[in-house]
Amino acid sequence: DAGVIQSPRHEVTEMGQEVTLRCKPISGHDYLFWYRQTMMRGLELLIYFNNNVPIDDSGMPEDRFSAKMPNASFSTLKIQPSEPRDSAVYFCASSPGTHYEQYFGPGTRLTVT
Amino acid sequence: AQKITQTQPGMFVQEKEAVTLDCTYDTSDPSYGLFWYKQPSSGEMIFLIYQGSYDQQNATEGRYSLNFQKARKSANLVISASQLGDSAMYFCAMREYQAGTALIFGKGTTLSVSS
Repeated sequence: DAGVIQSPRHEVTEMGQEVTLRCKPISGHDYLFWYRQTMMRGLELLIYFNNNVPIDDSGMPEDRFSAKMPNASFSTLKIQPSEPRDSAVYFCASSPGTHYEQYFGPGTRLTVT
Repeated sequence: AQKITQTQPGMFVQEKEAVTLDCTYDTSDPSYGLFWYKQPSSGEMIFLIYQGSYDQQNATEGRYSLNFQKARKSANLVISASQLGDSAMYFCAMREYQAGTALIFGKGTTLSVSS
């Protein structure tokens, strides 16, 4: 299997612009997670889905962030409008079930200037 | 209160030596899982080892073993025979199954292996 695929790998954008991050989970995995990693806050969960349904979005910072999973093989995380404090590495991860490890994608490094 | 605590910001070890990375956790959930991940400088997150709260034996995966002390709420990672390629950031994480939480990560420990 190709593993979790994320695109783009790097994104540089100006404050106020819309940013869309994409994720393709491992085929057959029912859970999909979005995490954000910064030096200050470490790794934090933003949202996770089970069978394409959002289960916990309590980590989504504010209304500027939204996530969708229209089907089992694709998810997006959108930031609109972006701000410099959104600069971070965003990871997508998937797992085949509750009691299994999560497999992480390579991450998207977002820089908002 | 922090759910996952890693008290060692940095650890140094020589090649071929064993090293223990500490992790304590806090939960009232009777059913939970503990995970260790490695993040090398390239940035990817690599799963190393898993321990379930009901597992009777400590988990082992090759050179990695997990010293699980349930009463003390600790889940230390032991790396035997360290290699230069083990130099990385190591994260302890927990998932609470009854509460339905996703992974909660500690702040991480940077391990440096020297020759």
